[in-house]
Amino acid sequence: GENVEQHPSTLSVQEGDSAVIKCTYSDSASNYFPWYKQELGKGPQLIIDIRSNVGEKKDQRIAVTLNKTAKHFSLHITETQPEDSAVYFCAVLTGGGNKLTFGTGTQLKVEL
Amino acid sequence: GAVVSQHPSWVICKSGTSVKIECRSLDFQATTMFWYRQFPKQSLMLMATSNEGSKATYEQGVEKDKFLINHASLTLSTLTVTSAHPEDSSFYICSADPGLAGGRLAEQFFGPGTRLTVL
Repeated sequence: GENVEQHPSTLSVQEGDSAVIKCTYSDSASNYFPWYKQELGKGPQLIIDIRSNVGEKKDQRIAVTLNKTAKHFSLHITETQPEDSAVYFCAVLTGGGNKLTFGTGTQLKVEL
Repeated sequence: GAVVSQHPSWVICKSGTSVKIECRSLDFQATTMFWYRQFPKQSLMLMATSNEGSKATYEQGVEKDKFLINHASLTLSTLTVTSAHPEDSSFYICSADPGLAGGRLAEQFFGPGTRLTVL
């Protein structure tokens, strides 16, 4: 089955700095790569996603890059704010199916 | 748009009782709904996939007789934890996939989760 690794597990940045979270996956047939933000006690919220026909996608302060050859994709958050503090999960849609495999999560803390 | 609700948001029950959790897609029809379990400080683990009108498909290691899933309509799926025990205490999260009708393949919208505590 699909194996998704996510790094780092915790990330602490100063407000205004950038944060980068990286995920690697194993199934080369995977074609959909979403990122979710989960606040304490709540369900995950989709913040950005990318499909295998593009290499980069940006939405205001958030961007995702995809390297299909190397089988990794990254979340980039610029000009971080305290409200960005949360747990972030990457996920991969298993090739040919509709099931998501989640990464292990990254606890992001944005300090004032 | 694309709102998914869960009820209840939290529940405390005695060991041996059964608990039902509802998952509803409020403004779209979901061809497929998913149930996940999340333990503290861990990732989401898929428990089962359900399609309206058919039996759920369970992931390896998930007991189908313990976690009963009913997907009665395109907007409602229920998860019943039967004979709950303390080790079943967890955060249960559902998601709904509108399928092609949503205009985008494989996008899942998540509910707010249900915190189950079994005493």
